[in-house]
Amino acid sequence: AQSVTQLDSHVSVSEGTPVLLRCNYSSSYSPSLFWYVQHPNKGLQLLLKYTSAATLVKGINGFEAEFKKSETSFHLTKPSAHMSDAAEYFCVVSDSGGSNYKLTFGKGTLLTVNP
Amino acid sequence: KAGVTQTPRYLIKTRGQQVTLSCSPISGHRSVSWYQQTPGQGLQFLFEYFSETQRNKGNFPGRFSGRQFSNSRSEMNVSTLELGDSALYLCASSRDREVYSNQPQHFGDGTRLSIL
Repeated sequence: AQSVTQLDSHVSVSEGTPVLLRCNYSSSYSPSLFWYVQHPNKGLQLLLKYTSAATLVKGINGFEAEFKKSETSFHLTKPSAHMSDAAEYFCVVSDSGGSNYKLTFGKGTLLTVNP
Repeated sequence: KAGVTQTPRYLIKTRGQQVTLSCSPISGHRSVSWYQQTPGQGLQFLFEYFSETQRNKGNFPGRFSGRQFSNSRSEMNVSTLELGDSALYLCASSRDREVYSNQPQHFGDGTRLSIL
């Protein structure tokens, strides 16, 4: 069975300061991991994905995430927050060795960016 | 390239009615998944269709059903609507459905269903 825990339901930062959104996962197989962002009344947009290649993954809009197998973590970071980054972020795991193609979503982290 | 298109964007129904939501995947995508998003439960997987067959199903009652057509378009139906069915229903498509797939899903903007 696979699961995802986003450690913070709400993160608040000031514009121009670093962003850290934390995610821990559990998976029976070699997981694929994704971060998605959702702006109000919109669908989810893919930020980045990890698929057993490089452990440091770069995504869109300056975001990146590092896969740490020993810590079962996949934290999302950005060096400098922008007002447009305010949104909800979802960490997602997909077991690539299981018989079911299904994504498991974390509960989401709401990112607030203060001017 | 057009994204995933969901219609309608907003829908208001009353208890006991039924509703059908539509999803057109990205051209060339053959896998379509449906999700329910609510403030309390977050994003929950409903079901996945591939080649007109339901391949995977989440823990939802039989009132929730779906189908996929030969052009990969999908519909989701909810019968005997309850207040708790009020939610944002999201459709996502991906190119294929390999067991070892690492492909991301591409989401539509959803249908906001409100039950009065």
